[in-house]
Amino acid sequence: DQQVKQNSPSLSVQEGRISILNCDYTNSMFDYFLWYKKYPAEGPTFLISISSIKDKNEDGRFTVFLNKSAKHLSLHIVPSQPGDSAVYFCAASQNDYKLSFGAGTTVTVRA
Amino acid sequence: NAGVTQTPKFQVLKTGQSMTLQCAQDMNHNSMYWYRQDPGMGLRLIYYSASEGTTDKGEVPNGYNVSRLNKREFSLRLESAAPSQTSVYFCASKGPATYGYTFGSGTRLTVV
Repeated sequence: DQQVKQNSPSLSVQEGRISILNCDYTNSMFDYFLWYKKYPAEGPTFLISISSIKDKNEDGRFTVFLNKSAKHLSLHIVPSQPGDSAVYFCAASQNDYKLSFGAGTTVTVRA
Repeated sequence: NAGVTQTPKFQVLKTGQSMTLQCAQDMNHNSMYWYRQDPGMGLRLIYYSASEGTTDKGEVPNGYNVSRLNKREFSLRLESAAPSQTSVYFCASKGPATYGYTFGSGTRLTVV
């Protein structure tokens, strides 16, 4: 039973526009949420995270929003660049202990 | 470069064969993990080791065994490979003070 769900397998966006990736979770005990980025033939790399005590965290072009009541988080990428084309995984943990991952969303940035 | 090193990068096995996937990290991290990635499933935890000398089952441990050889190394063994174990395997490590893991580049395993 997947506790972290990414319901959009893919997203195509034009260069310079905003990319919005969504993630839902079912375990209300999760207290930390992360986004990972993965290029083909490489391991996932950490992108941005947010604690459950916050509702927004920003790092350059990347912003993560958390809505605890809806058990939903999203990742905004503004503006999208060709190098952002990758698979993005949403992940969550409880007490800094074992990450649960979503299925991933493949982002394609069109020139 | 500091990080997590996995060997081999690619492997083809016949059903019933055994093999060990190797993982080593040089960041002095306490915790190490083995995940598998399958299409539409994301990354699923196979086994983890919270510290040297301890190992625990994750979400999908059946058909696998692990050994935490020392603080640096964490190996994953398939005793009798099955086609259902065809996957990409990632090793990861995590230090005590930071959230988020550092992943290796993966081992692509095909069982025929």
